[in-house]
Amino acid sequence: GQQLNQSPQSMFIQEGEDVSMNCTSSSIFNTWLWYKQDPGEGPVLLIALYKAGELTSNGRLTAQFGITRKDSFLNISASIPSDVGIYFCAGQAVETSGSRLTFGEGTQLTVNP
Amino acid sequence: GAGVSQSPRYKVAKRGQDVALRCDPISGHVSLFWYQQALGQGPEFLTYFQNEAQLDKSGLPSDRFFAERPEGSVSTLKIQRTQQEDSAVYLCASSLAAVRGTQYFGPGTRLLVL
Repeated sequence: GQQLNQSPQSMFIQEGEDVSMNCTSSSIFNTWLWYKQDPGEGPVLLIALYKAGELTSNGRLTAQFGITRKDSFLNISASIPSDVGIYFCAGQAVETSGSRLTFGEGTQLTVNP
Repeated sequence: GAGVSQSPRYKVAKRGQDVALRCDPISGHVSLFWYQQALGQGPEFLTYFQNEAQLDKSGLPSDRFFAERPEGSVSTLKIQRTQQEDSAVYLCASSLAAVRGTQYFGPGTRLLVL
């Protein structure tokens, strides 16, 4: 089946630093999504991308849909303590996998004040 | 309610017991998804409903797993004769549209099989 390779697995940064994480796939997706999950909660959508090359921002977060449709990245600028959590990329490829989302393995972010 | 709700939030079962997990989607959302999330992993797709029709159940790991959504709203995921490897968080998500529809997740049910 489809797999998403997400990196890095974990990051330890100082408050105020910028963060970048990415996902790559061997197959094409037509939607890329980035979610954040806090302990004991379900994933919460941060950014949705629907077109190759699309660059979208949501406050301090910026994400891009790779031109090949096989990758995406998420940047967080000027990190703050509440950015701590696990970030997941997810892709949807309706033609091959229907409406399901395929998730990466997550990036655990720790922000030191 | 405003979001997807799931119950129970926690369930401890003895191996061999049957369990039923409930999902209340956001009102009006036609699409409903179940995912399984093992510790330290991303969620993995189990099954998908559009209204009451189960359109994709290819992610269900065995015939011990069964899901239903009889009236196109509330859904139940049932696991028969639970095994230790069934221990995971079970997440439910709903969306207004199946394609390009934002999937909103519930808090999950954490299942521990002893």
